[in-house]
Parts: sequence; structure tokens; C-alpha cells
Amino acid sequence: DIQMTQSPSSLSASVGDRVTITCRASQGISNYLAWFQQKPGKAPKSLIYAASSLQSEVPSKFSGSGSGTDFTLTISSLQPEDFATYYCQQYNSYPRTFGGGTKVEIK
Amino acid sequence: QVQLQESGPGLVKPSGTLSLTCAVSGGSISSTNWWSWIRQPPGKGLEWIGEIYHSGGTNYNPSLKSRVTVSVDKSKNQFSLKLRSVTAADTAVYYCARKKRYFHESSGHEFEDYWGQGTLVTVSS
Repeated sequence: DIQMTQSPSSLSASVGDRVTITCRASQGISNYLAWFQQKPGKAPKSLIYAASSLQSEVPSKFSGSGSGTDFTLTISSLQPEDFATYYCQQYNSYPRTFGGGTKVEIK
Repeated sequence: QVQLQESGPGLVKPSGTLSLTCAVSGGSISSTNWWSWIRQPPGKGLEWIGEIYHSGGTNYNPSLKSRVTVSVDKSKNQFSLKLRSVTAADTAVYYCARKKRYFHESSGHEFEDYWGQGTLVTVSS
């Protein structure tokens, strides 16, 4: 199985901050990576696929980059509705695997 | 817009079988999508369980494969999950989702774009 490692596991940030989350794959996955946002008690919501393509209706403050084994999710200006847990997922090979999550909290 | 809704017992006894159904609305289960099950133990991360195509083709997580069956009922526009010989470790919120193919620079990218709200299944006597 491909292991997905996210860092940090949690972070505290203020409204307006620029936030970057990292996801590392245990082997190369090209750009077969998705990012999800999950709020408490809710299902994950897809944000980005192909490492950098924004899902429809996702605001442009979210951006993704990377290829191979190292990927990042950036939120350009953190807003109150962005406080959530973010997960990466590789879909290059089976079984599909997720990172452990990064919880973004209010400072 | 497609919507998915999980249903099934919220409590299952140890060694029993967990059975869930996902009803799909706003789209046909016979479309060119796969249909997935994913779970999340309380306070933990996400685990992919398996998926099915309307023709009956399946893929399963090897860690669960010996205990899992995913099936589809096209007449009811729904698909189902059965997990046998459950233990407390199977306690989780279970999500169903649609896996759709998107194209980026001529390559196909298939990922879970729409999810159900999830249902908590507790394994306890």
C-alpha cells in the first residue's frame, strides 16, 4: 500500500493567514492526488484533484501543487469557514489511501 | 446534482454482519461512475473499503477483502455493503460516495466527488 503522510497534523492560524499543508507519498503517484475538507460531523468535501485542479465551485483561495511524492495544499487567506480538517488521498493505485489529516484551528 | 444517503442498523453485535445500503438520487447508478464505501473511526482518519461498478465489477481493500462484499441493485438505484465477523475495531462512520472520472491534461482522474452524510455504526454487545 502507498502510505500518505501529512504534516503538520494540526496547526493554529488567524483569519487572513496564508496556510500550507504538506502531503508526502511513500512512492511516486504522478499527480493522482486529491484534497478534501471535512468539518465536524460532516462528510468530506472534494476540493482539488489531479494535485492542482480546483473542483467546481471551490473558491480560488485554495490551490494545490506537486507531483511524484510531494504535494502541498495552500489556503491564501484563511477565513472562518476554512477551519476544518484537510485530507489528501492518492488514487494512483489500489488500495486508495488517505493521509492522516491536518486540523486547522483558530489561533 | 447527485445525492447519496446511507441507511442501516446503527448497532451491530460482535461477530455479526454489518449491512448498509446507499440510495442514489439525482443520477443513475448505471452511469459511467464507480460507487465507493469509505469509513472513519471516531476521531480518526479515513479508510477506503471498496467500490463497485454497475456491471458488478468490484475492488476491495486487501485489509478487509476477506470480510467485505459490495453489491449493486440497479432496479432500486442503490448499492450495499456487507462486512462480516465485525469487532469493536469496525466501529466507525460509514460513508458512501460516487467516484467519477475527470479529465486533466488528457489524463483521467477518478476520485470520490460526492459523498453521503455518513452513518455511525457501533459494534457492541
